[in-house]
Amino acid sequence: QSVLTQPPSMSGAPGQRVTISCSGTSSNIGKGTVNWYQQLPGMAPRLLIYDDDKRPSGVPDRFSGSKSGASASLAISGLQFGDEADYYCETWGDKPTGPVFGGGTKLNVL
Amino acid sequence: QELLQESGPGLVRPSETLSLTCSVSGPSDSFTDRYISWGWIRQSPGKGLEWIGSSYYSGRSILPPSLKSRVTISVDSSKKQVALTLSSVTAADTAVYFCARRVTVSMHAFDVWGRGTTIIVSS
Repeated sequence: QSVLTQPPSMSGAPGQRVTISCSGTSSNIGKGTVNWYQQLPGMAPRLLIYDDDKRPSGVPDRFSGSKSGASASLAISGLQFGDEADYYCETWGDKPTGPVFGGGTKLNVL
Repeated sequence: QELLQESGPGLVRPSETLSLTCSVSGPSDSFTDRYISWGWIRQSPGKGLEWIGSSYYSGRSILPPSLKSRVTISVDSSKKQVALTLSSVTAADTAVYFCARRVTVSMHAFDVWGRGTTIIVSS
């Protein structure tokens, strides 16, 4: 069972907007910043959002992140078939100390 | 930007020790940057990501309590390699093992990942 809670799966149609949630506690998300990773099938994870809402260079602005209290969200607008992937949230946990991941959300683009 | 490449035996027998190496190449000098840590993350078949430990070039390691007794992570600055050993493996250790760089200032995230190496624990 993962420390951070994400919905196992979500779906959307091309062009739509979806929001993936990530729920934690005051010992992890509530204390630090949240990162999001995209894992395309058969590939390594790729950093998508860091420090709650920042995008590394090369990540389209269709991807955005936000955080409130002990929860965070990843929004994807203008869904494309190429966005079909697993998405993971991650933050630095306090007890125990170290990175903690969500269980991942499989996004299907119908 | 750096490239990370994991290497390992592929198949390990139960109760044995798994040894993996992550080789770091590229133009950056971040390998010896004190604000960079080098982590190992694994993914069991059909499952999510699990952090199994990180180390700084100084040799200081951070390990999760659940694996602390079985995991060792070491850094060889001269070879720009990060080594992982996992002792007393069982079938539950079957996974794809990723090496990743973590920036601990300004970003606080795993920003560069290797492709991963598949490890199967079986007799």
